[in-house]
Amino acid sequence: DTGVSQNPRHKITKRGQNVTFRCDPISEHNRLYWYRQTLGQGPEFLTYFQNEAQLEKSRLLSDRFSAERPKGSFSTLEIQRTEQGDSAMYLCASSPTGVLQPQHFGDGTRLSIL
Amino acid sequence: DAKTTQPTSMDCAEGRAANLPCNHSTISGNEYVYWYRQIHSQGPQYIIHGLKNNETNEMASLIITEDRKSSTLILPHATLRDTAVYYCIVRVGLDKVIFGPGTSLSVIP
Repeated sequence: DTGVSQNPRHKITKRGQNVTFRCDPISEHNRLYWYRQTLGQGPEFLTYFQNEAQLEKSRLLSDRFSAERPKGSFSTLEIQRTEQGDSAMYLCASSPTGVLQPQHFGDGTRLSIL
Repeated sequence: DAKTTQPTSMDCAEGRAANLPCNHSTISGNEYVYWYRQIHSQGPQYIIHGLKNNETNEMASLIITEDRKSSTLILPHATLRDTAVYYCIVRVGLDKVIFGPGTSLSVIP
């Protein structure tokens, strides 16, 4: 069990650029979640997948954000036309399907918008 | 999810028990209490969960009151590595976790 892996760990980009993050969940975990965390706050839910199906999206996920999990394994989160307010830590978590299974988190991608 | 309230911060002496309280007065009968913690620059780490019985694992103990309106996470012998933000969450099970601001625990030498 290698844990949830997120890449890159840090991303610095200029306002208006597009960025893409990758999450590799724990193998055989059917569920995959994305969260965003700003300084001093708890993580906020963005979206989650059951296998390749995206089952829920938060209203925080504006139309500039898109997430995919094409083969039910790794996932990508893309932000288009980045804004200063997108600066945050983006966290990925995975869990097996099953009631009460805890989510296992990666260490996140820290995005800084210049 | 039901809302939880936790103290903003707490201190604990190294080697002593850390008792972190959480109020969840509006918890529903089928909602479980989960605890996570987040060490600086890392993702949240699952600690323990329970419904109404007290639970213990290698990391901590969870004490839930009989009316289920509050709970306490106990770290029996706190170490400096236990310095983190601790989140108390209630959830039904399958979907997203809703985090509050948590309790910042500082373990002091």
